[in-house]
Amino acid sequence: GAGVSQSPRYKVAKRGQDVALRCDPISGHVSLFWYQQALGQGPEFLTYFQNEAQLDKSGLPSDRFFAERPEGSVSTLKIQRTQQEDSAVYLCASSDRGRWEQYFGPGTRLTVT
Amino acid sequence: AQSVAQPEDQVNVAEGNPLTVKCTYSVSGNPYLFWYVQYPNRGLQFLLKYITGDNLVKGSYGFEAEFNKSQTSFHLKKPSALVSDSALYFCAVRDYGGYQKVTFGTGTKLQVIP
Repeated sequence: GAGVSQSPRYKVAKRGQDVALRCDPISGHVSLFWYQQALGQGPEFLTYFQNEAQLDKSGLPSDRFFAERPEGSVSTLKIQRTQQEDSAVYLCASSDRGRWEQYFGPGTRLTVT
Repeated sequence: AQSVAQPEDQVNVAEGNPLTVKCTYSVSGNPYLFWYVQYPNRGLQFLLKYITGDNLVKGSYGFEAEFNKSQTSFHLKKPSALVSDSALYFCAVRDYGGYQKVTFGTGTKLQVIP
């Protein structure tokens, strides 16, 4: 079946602009995760959804970051008033009920100029 | 707080030789441990996991890992390296009984030399 997809794959934003990043998880996967991966680093946890409920948002770096998953499938990560330090690859992953391994999308590379 | 350490930024091994990529972890409870691989211009792929049971777990592409509770380690191994194994490898941990948050290491670049 289809894997996790993310769009856009690349996004260039001017400092101060708002951006929205989309994630389509594997169909039926209950859990959805967002990560931020800086160059040369491992993924850093941002937030976690179980169905439509956002159960953990402890990794969101500031109140400029907001994530939603209103119908328990597609998720959007929104960054308001982007800053240069927001430049990174944003990864989405999903996992099935009772399974602990995560399936990752290809990521969205965000460059803030 | 949970954490993972991958002490080697890069590991070089000759094709056909055994390989080991090291990982140590720290959690307050029992760990769930994972290895993921990232090929150039591709997303992270799950390789294997330790949840409970046998300390030696086998995964995709001939990889295996050994869970050692006393040394808090979960090293990735393969008996005979292939050039196609060259990639970036990430170890990750989740604290059992905690939240779903998974903490990743900084990654180890594996270079298999023909």
